[in-house]
Amino acid sequence: DAKTTQPTSMDCAEGRAANLPCNHSTISGNEYVYWYRQIHSQGPQYIIHGLKNNETNEMASLIITEDRKSSTLILPHATLRDTAVYYCIVGNTGNTPLVFGKGTRLSVIA
Amino acid sequence: EAGVAQSPRYKIIEKRQSVAFWCNPISGHATLYWYQQILGQGPKLLIQFQNNGVVDDSQLPKDRFSAERLKGVDSTLKIQPAKLEDSAVYLCASSPDSTYEQYFGPGTRLTVT
Repeated sequence: DAKTTQPTSMDCAEGRAANLPCNHSTISGNEYVYWYRQIHSQGPQYIIHGLKNNETNEMASLIITEDRKSSTLILPHATLRDTAVYYCIVGNTGNTPLVFGKGTRLSVIA
Repeated sequence: EAGVAQSPRYKIIEKRQSVAFWCNPISGHATLYWYQQILGQGPKLLIQFQNNGVVDDSQLPKDRFSAERLKGVDSTLKIQPAKLEDSAVYLCASSPDSTYEQYFGPGTRLTVT
């Protein structure tokens, strides 16, 4: 079973920041938080990951709370092409498998 | 850089028939994964290869599903015989090592009638 809890769906206006929350209250000290997204009819796409510190790349920012029990993925200026299902996943690197939940369906509205 | 290639993209078969899917991972990626994604759900890992050895096949229904990765590159996933509940998208992914930064192909949509 997935070890994360995410809202089923969210809407965001085009050009605004999209903030996607994820609860992972049972995360252990050596587990990372990973985010993937899946655009309709495509395979999932890696976005970003982090352990303790906030992370930023060209796609998004990841904010992890100090107690690591929750995190937020931020898309700073959402576009229509960001409409997708966003998955928050926790786990170790190595041979443990990715366990996807149902994710959050983000709809970016013009 | 070329992505993960999969074929066919779509397949329709009748129950009890057999079907095979093919995956070509990104060049140099040692780890290859097959996932099953049922409509409305997240992908579920079926099998993980490291080079041509199996790392995890605990969720592969071995009575009907089989997979191989010859020479540590391409991989095939076979279902024989298919059941109605096998209707899903079958995703192949690869990574340069066993990490969570995986690269997914477009998937094969299987419909079993």
